[in-house]
Amino acid sequence: NAGVTQTPKFQVLKTGQSMTLQCAQDMNHNSMYWYRQDPGMGLRLIYYSASEGTTDKGEVPNGYNVSRLNKREFSLRLESAAPSQTSVYFCASSARPEGVEPQHFGDGTRLSIL
Amino acid sequence: DAKTTQPPSMDCAEGRAANLPCNHSTISGNEYVYWYRQIHSQGPQYIIHGLKNNETNEMASLIITEDRKSSTLILPHATLRDTAVYYCIVRLPIISNFGNEKLTFGTGTRLTIIP
Repeated sequence: NAGVTQTPKFQVLKTGQSMTLQCAQDMNHNSMYWYRQDPGMGLRLIYYSASEGTTDKGEVPNGYNVSRLNKREFSLRLESAAPSQTSVYFCASSARPEGVEPQHFGDGTRLSIL
Repeated sequence: DAKTTQPPSMDCAEGRAANLPCNHSTISGNEYVYWYRQIHSQGPQYIIHGLKNNETNEMASLIITEDRKSSTLILPHATLRDTAVYYCIVRLPIISNFGNEKLTFGTGTRLTIIP
């Protein structure tokens, strides 16, 4: 069972470069999420997609864009990377956005911006 | 969502039960208690959740006090692979498709299993 798969696992960028982080889930979940985790801090929600065809901003959306390509895939794009975006990025999914469904996470993308 | 308080770190001997406490004294009547853990270099892993009754699954048991102001996660027979940071989270059930499902992770408890 793959669950939530993120690619790449590691990436180093220069300031100003662009990049897309990929996420795919095979659990037929409706909702997907992007978080970032910085040292000593908890996870912060960047964007989420309650269902295919919808996306909404989370707590820290500035500098990012997302695309819900289909039910399985939810990508996160950095148009012009900045050192402040150095972080570990986690994608998650849940069966539904409503109710009490738990979220299931991928193993993260470790991104460094020089 | 209610705020939670957890001890920053705990140790437990391998094979013994690990009991991780969480205080959520401001929890509201319909907020659920969730537990996740994060093993080094991996994504957060869902463990268990509950509202007011005690819950058990293949990973752990969740004991919620009658007044719901605190809870305890129990790993019945801790192994070295249970070494991780454990997060206690309380949140409301989302009642519409348009809610911002923000899962707020605090700093958690770093559990170390001692051989």
